[in-house]
Amino acid sequence: DAGITQSPRYKITETGRQVTLMCHQTWSHSYMFWYRQDLGHGLRLIYYSAAADITDKGEVPDGYVVSRSKTENFPLTLESATRSQTSVYFCASSEGRIGDTQYFGPGTRLTVL
Amino acid sequence: SQQGEEDPQALSIQEGENATMNCSYKTSINNLQWYRQNSGRGLVHLILIRSNEREKHSGRLRVTLDTSKKSSSLLITASRAADTASYFCALIQGAQKLVFGQGTRLTINP
Repeated sequence: DAGITQSPRYKITETGRQVTLMCHQTWSHSYMFWYRQDLGHGLRLIYYSAAADITDKGEVPDGYVVSRSKTENFPLTLESATRSQTSVYFCASSEGRIGDTQYFGPGTRLTVL
Repeated sequence: SQQGEEDPQALSIQEGENATMNCSYKTSINNLQWYRQNSGRGLVHLILIRSNEREKHSGRLRVTLDTSKKSSSLLITASRAADTASYFCALIQGAQKLVFGQGTRLTINP
């Protein structure tokens, strides 16, 4: 029972490169979310998805792209990484409505040089 | 945007003591949730309390909600070293996105 996993766990990249962070959940939860966590800002929502092929912007979507072709996967792509995107990224899922309990992955620590 | 504000930002107590942290908010809510984050880990859900509830318990955790004061508190009784973590309250905002506060860092000293 893997639950929700993220890969890679750590990533170092350079400014301007494209980076994709992967998120996979085994519960068939409808909703999936991407957050970034930075000191002084707490946890901020980047994008979320209510179901396969349905995505919507969160609080800080600029510079990010998401897709959800399958219920279990929700990749986050940084099209052209910038230093300001250095952060810890968390994926989460929830069973039903957004207000329901969210289950978080272990996080990906991304450093953009 | 609606965001809970946790207080205090940091709390350090001795093992065995009780820890209380608070969350205040500005507009009406459907529910309020508390999460814990151990260092270097993802958040873990602790308790969800609905707007029509005043108190909920889960093991050593007690959460209260006062909608008239727009505040919630999380009480951890008989604290243990393993309770050292950051604790976040989370609220529903508008189109039902969950918004997290900046958290309370709790340190339990042996």
